[in-house]
Amino acid sequence: GNSVTQMEGPVTLSEEAFLTINCTYTATGYPSLFWYVQYPGEGLQLLLKATKADDKGSNKGFEATYRKETTSFHLEKGSVQVSDSAVYFCALSLTGGGNKLTFGTGTQLKVEL
Amino acid sequence: DADVTQTPRNRITKTGKRIMLECSQTKGHDRMYWYRQDPGLGLRLIYYSFDVKDINKGEISDGYSVSRQAQAKFSLSLESAIPNQTALYFCATSDRLLETGELFFGEGSRLTVL
Repeated sequence: GNSVTQMEGPVTLSEEAFLTINCTYTATGYPSLFWYVQYPGEGLQLLLKATKADDKGSNKGFEATYRKETTSFHLEKGSVQVSDSAVYFCALSLTGGGNKLTFGTGTQLKVEL
Repeated sequence: DADVTQTPRNRITKTGKRIMLECSQTKGHDRMYWYRQDPGLGLRLIYYSFDVKDINKGEISDGYSVSRQAQAKFSLSLESAIPNQTALYFCATSDRLLETGELFFGEGSRLTVL
């Protein structure tokens, strides 16, 4: 079946530190890959996506590259801010799957001054 | 106003009670979904609906039922609530014309079953 594995949190960083949150997947077929973010007390919102191998998704200074050879989609940001504190979810969907997403367990990020 | 609205936002109930969580959307999307979020488990799909007459079970549908009253409304029911249904429940929508995987989420309904 399809699954997403992401690193456990919480991840605690100082402001302006470099961020990496690892995500790997298993899927039948060729999935699209996503990062969603959940700020405290809110629903999830799409952060970035990539729909085919070697695509790079980017938004708000965050980036992730779809690596088919390593079945990975790691999230990175060069300099985090306190406002980036949230829970980050990696997810996949299959073409023709009706946008049904399979989510990872989520990684909580805490950024301190 | 939010595009995807869930009611109630918080509910505490007792084992055996019937509970309904409601979701309405103003995005005009055909597709609607119910997920539950549990610590350490991420989000898991309970039910989804591609239009008013098309309702499908997700990976954890046991103990739940749904009703798609209109394109804009999708409700989730727990016929006889049990404590392990304590969770944060999210409604989401998507546009069938865009197989992009982008879901639009409500703010969540926190349910506690005592």
